[in-house]
Amino acid sequence: QVQLVQSGPEVKKPGASVKVSCKASGYGFTSYGITWVRQAPGQGLEWMGWLSVSNGNTKYAQKLQGRVSMTTDTSTSTVYLELRNLRSDDTAVYYCASGYCSSAFCYTDYWGLGTLVTVSS
Amino acid sequence: QSALTQPASVSGSPGQSITISCTGSSSDVGGYDYVSWYQQHPGKAPKLMIWDVSNRPSGVSSRFSGSKSGNSASLTISGLQADDEADYYCSSYTSSTDVVFGGGTKLSVL
Repeated sequence: QVQLVQSGPEVKKPGASVKVSCKASGYGFTSYGITWVRQAPGQGLEWMGWLSVSNGNTKYAQKLQGRVSMTTDTSTSTVYLELRNLRSDDTAVYYCASGYCSSAFCYTDYWGLGTLVTVSS
Repeated sequence: QSALTQPASVSGSPGQSITISCTGSSSDVGGYDYVSWYQQHPGKAPKLMIWDVSNRPSGVSSRFSGSKSGNSASLTISGLQADDEADYYCSSYTSSTDVVFGGGTKLSVL
């Protein structure tokens, strides 16, 4: 079955960077994409962007442009989310989700369990 | 891009039907058939319930259905069950090629 295993919790200081991983198994990794969504404590869901593993294309949320990168290591079926210049309002649970990518965007059929990133001085 | 508008809460009794609305604009919900719905239980990851307005993933109960009219989409849950109590979020592709979520609706099964 499809599994997305995310890396463990992180605690970072403001201004630092964090890199969260999402290791996929149970499906044709290179044929689909990975979307990242975050959720601040007690808040709703926020779309961060997607990476199409099949063609390497990425799309990032406008508000995160310049601070976010999504990369992939196909040898280990792992996608990475890097967020730079962290602020306190980046404190959130970060989810990865896999799915088919159309010409417009990537779907989110299966979800990881989430990674808590805490930004605090 | 502003969040889609959902009611903060809805409630229903077991066996009843409820509908959750999701209102956007012609730049998102009204302009594309890329509306999805998610269910999230407390402390858990979201689960996809509806994609492309009205399609159910394999394994999702037929009690869940989606529709769209103009700039608004809806999720209907029929035959309410206790386990349906959760937060529900809609999302839509937008003209800026971003994806936007609704603020979420807390469903209480009384």
